[in-house]
Amino acid sequence: DVKVTQSSRYLVKRTGEKVFLECVQDMDHENMFWYRQDPGLGLRLIYFSYDVKMKEKGDIPEGYSVSREKKERFSLILESASTNQTSMYLCASSLFWGAAQGLYEQYFGPGTRLTVT
Amino acid sequence: AQSVTQLDSQVPVFEEAPVELRCNYSSSVSVYLFWYVQYPNQGLQLLLKYLSGSTLVKGINGFEAEFNKSQTSFHLRKPSVHISDTAEYFCAVILGGRDDKIIFGKGTRLHILP
Repeated sequence: DVKVTQSSRYLVKRTGEKVFLECVQDMDHENMFWYRQDPGLGLRLIYFSYDVKMKEKGDIPEGYSVSREKKERFSLILESASTNQTSMYLCASSLFWGAAQGLYEQYFGPGTRLTVT
Repeated sequence: AQSVTQLDSQVPVFEEAPVELRCNYSSSVSVYLFWYVQYPNQGLQLLLKYLSGSTLVKGINGFEAEFNKSQTSFHLRKPSVHISDTAEYFCAVILGGRDDKIIFGKGTRLHILP
């Protein structure tokens, strides 16, 4: 079974702190994703990475950055946390992502609920 | 512009009754369609997907969905729900010919009544 783990289930940080959310997958997947989930808004893509050191902005990248130094690990960084970044953060990974491969299957981690006070 | 719409934010249904969760998308090009489920305190899990072929797609846990191109819909159905189906369900779409970006609906919370 594919396993996607996130470093914390719950996190409380203060406004202005630098926050690191870590995600690790154990199935040698090429693609990794960071989403935030808010009630009534569904999931919104923050960043995704299709290879080590490669990244693409999603729909809401402002206030976030990412790092992928190793294939299995994808980190989301909040440079200066703000209260409007209080949310559930979900990481996902996928072996293939594209019409050419005919596969679009994401495996999600359990999520990190971040509260910024 | 909204690409995927889940018409109901919450759906209550009695145990062992049938259920339909509605999803409509807005696109005139080819689409790839998905349903994901999120059980309480967990991440999302793929229920089923439509990429091509038969318009009736069967998924895990007894769910199925039908791709209807003329109505631009991909409704999720189950003939008899169980208390363990209590979860939030997300419809998602990838618009073919574009950048492979998956767009999620806002979710439908399924409440199973005893």
